Amino acid sequence: EAQVTQNPRYLITVTGKKLTVTCSQNMNHEYMSWYRQDPGLGLRQIYYSMNVEVTDKGDVPEGYKVSRKEKRNFPLILESPSPNQTSLYFCASSRTWYNANTGELFFGEGSRLTVL
Amino acid sequence: DAKTTQPPSMDCAEGRAANLPCNHSTISGNEYVYWYRQIHSQGPQYIIHGLKNNETNEMASLIITEDRKSSTLILPHATLRDTAVYYCIVRVAGGGSNYKLTFGKGTLLTVNP
Repeated sequence: EAQVTQNPRYLITVTGKKLTVTCSQNMNHEYMSWYRQDPGLGLRQIYYSMNVEVTDKGDVPEGYKVSRKEKRNFPLILESPSPNQTSLYFCASSRTWYNANTGELFFGEGSRLTVL
Repeated sequence: DAKTTQPPSMDCAEGRAANLPCNHSTISGNEYVYWYRQIHSQGPQYIIHGLKNNETNEMASLIITEDRKSSTLILPHATLRDTAVYYCIVRVAGGGSNYKLTFGKGTLLTVNP
């Protein structure tokens, strides 16, 4: 089954304790992206990757890191989490980034992160 | 990418057609209109997209005006499971060196029994 898988789905952590949210897709998609969703602010893009070893900042990249060493994986790293990073996070992938006619995004089920 | 405007909320009776409008008056010729929906904190789900012709798939129909400044997503026979936030976004063809996909606040569609 074609899917985007995120882990963990739920996490409660404390300020400053490094954590990684993993994202994996099995569709051989070139493009992957991370979003966060907060009440009243909608979905905001954190980082995106157009292909292996190619990443760029989205609208709200501060406090996050990403890497794209393999095509299928795109982990989101919070080096020193803070309470303002408490949010619902979504990973998404798309077959391509350059062809808008085949660029529908497939989203994971989300990871709810709480930083105390 | 062009900005979109959607009503914050709409109601629809179960079994009736739901017509969700979207304004994208600054859309340019190479921008596609995409629709997604999000059911209560689940991951957003792709519905349909189009450039200038009307499109239909198993989920919905997309009607784009001739001047492309607005579009309407039609769910022909809404069910309670269609209650969700519906997002209309535009995507530039080619992407360029930046591919940011901006979601607005969408329309909360409530389907009533």
